[in-house]
Amino acid sequence: DQQVKQNSPSLSVQEGRISILNCDYTNSMFDYFLWYKKYPAEGPTFLISISSIKDKNEDGRFTVFLNKSAKHLSLHIVPSQPGDSAVYFCAASAIVGGKLIFGQGTELSVKP
Amino acid sequence: ETGVTQSPTHLIKTRGQQVTLRCSSQSGHNTVSWYQQALGQGPQFIFQYYREEENGRGNFPPRFSGLQFPNYSSELNVNALELDDSALYLCASGSDLSSYNEQFFGPGTRLTVL
Repeated sequence: DQQVKQNSPSLSVQEGRISILNCDYTNSMFDYFLWYKKYPAEGPTFLISISSIKDKNEDGRFTVFLNKSAKHLSLHIVPSQPGDSAVYFCAASAIVGGKLIFGQGTELSVKP
Repeated sequence: ETGVTQSPTHLIKTRGQQVTLRCSSQSGHNTVSWYQQALGQGPQFIFQYYREEENGRGNFPPRFSGLQFPNYSSELNVNALELDDSALYLCASGSDLSSYNEQFFGPGTRLTVL
């Protein structure tokens, strides 16, 4: 039972353009959503989060959008840079301070 | 502020053996969670400890057990290893249970079971 899904295993974009990574979830009890970035041989690094009471959160080049009615969130990276090439995981939580449920990840490749 | 560290980085065991993985949490963080990441998948929650007590468990059998110590270190123990236990094991620390907050991950231990 995959409660958090990232349906695109990979995404390739040109440097300077927008990267859009998508995530869908099924559990309406999820209250908090996070995006993590993972480079090979490193642990996931926190990028940005959003509470279910918001529909948008922005931090520099990164913006997360949440559509609760569609149970969908997306991460926008503008402008994309080659250093953004990594695997991106979305995660969700229904328990304050508790476990995170992760999607399968999307591998982003930003080409110069 | 120190990050989350894990040891060893790589480990090879044979089926039926037992293994202990170690994690040192970020200073001041009272929660530690362990995740298993199989190849091509996202991390899967194993369990969480808060102030040395188990505080939630995922869909993993009892042969997966853990400990958390007062000095912000913790252990994941796996008994009777199976081939499917081959994965990257990640620990993550968080500040507390009073609010939603990001968890900080270590680099992981790559376990191979032959």
